[in-house]
Amino acid sequence: EPEVTQTPSHQVTQMGQEVILRCVPISNHLYFYWYRQILGQKVEFLVSFYNNEISEKSEIFDDQFSVERPDGSNFTLKIRSTKLEDSAMYFCASRTGFIPYEQYFGPGTRLTVT
Amino acid sequence: KQEVTQIPAALSVPEGENLVLNCSFTDSAIYNLQWFRQDPGKGLTSLLLIQSSQREQTSGRLNASLDKSSGRSTLYIAASQPGDSATYLCAVSYMDTGRRALTFGSGTRLQVQP
Repeated sequence: EPEVTQTPSHQVTQMGQEVILRCVPISNHLYFYWYRQILGQKVEFLVSFYNNEISEKSEIFDDQFSVERPDGSNFTLKIRSTKLEDSAMYFCASRTGFIPYEQYFGPGTRLTVT
Repeated sequence: KQEVTQIPAALSVPEGENLVLNCSFTDSAIYNLQWFRQDPGKGLTSLLLIQSSQREQTSGRLNASLDKSSGRSTLYIAASQPGDSATYLCAVSYMDTGRRALTFGSGTRLQVQP
């Protein structure tokens, strides 16, 4: 069964460094999402992406964040200058353009900023 | 602000018991509601999706119901097993989110005792 994959599973970085989290959505999906979950807190929406552009973003998704679909398979989240508070599990999700619009989630990347 | 609330926050039951997890949401203008399972440190596994026009969905021992007018959904687990131990998350897609971003509850942590 097709699934969303994410790499790396765990990333450790120093404060101020740039990180890129990678996702490979399910191949026939058209809509892509990033969510994050700070330890012990709710899963929060960051951004949605469709037709090579951001279609919606939350207040968390500030200028430090960017997303890209550099080729036909990958979907990336870049954090330009990481802060301690960016430490979280980051989930990628994707869906088709068809009802019922079910989102499928990847296993997540745990980002630790030291 | 659109909020999703789940009660109880934690639940411990003996094996074999039937149980109900609750989810409530503000704003009845929802598009769909998804129930997810999350194992510790892992990703989100979609269990059931209910569209706003539906009243319930069933998958194996799981049954999810939706009452839009009261802003409630329940997840019923029949004949619980130790393997059901996990955190169960409820997530709502609201009509006014153009690309169907999900708003998550904080989850119910379920422990099924053998």
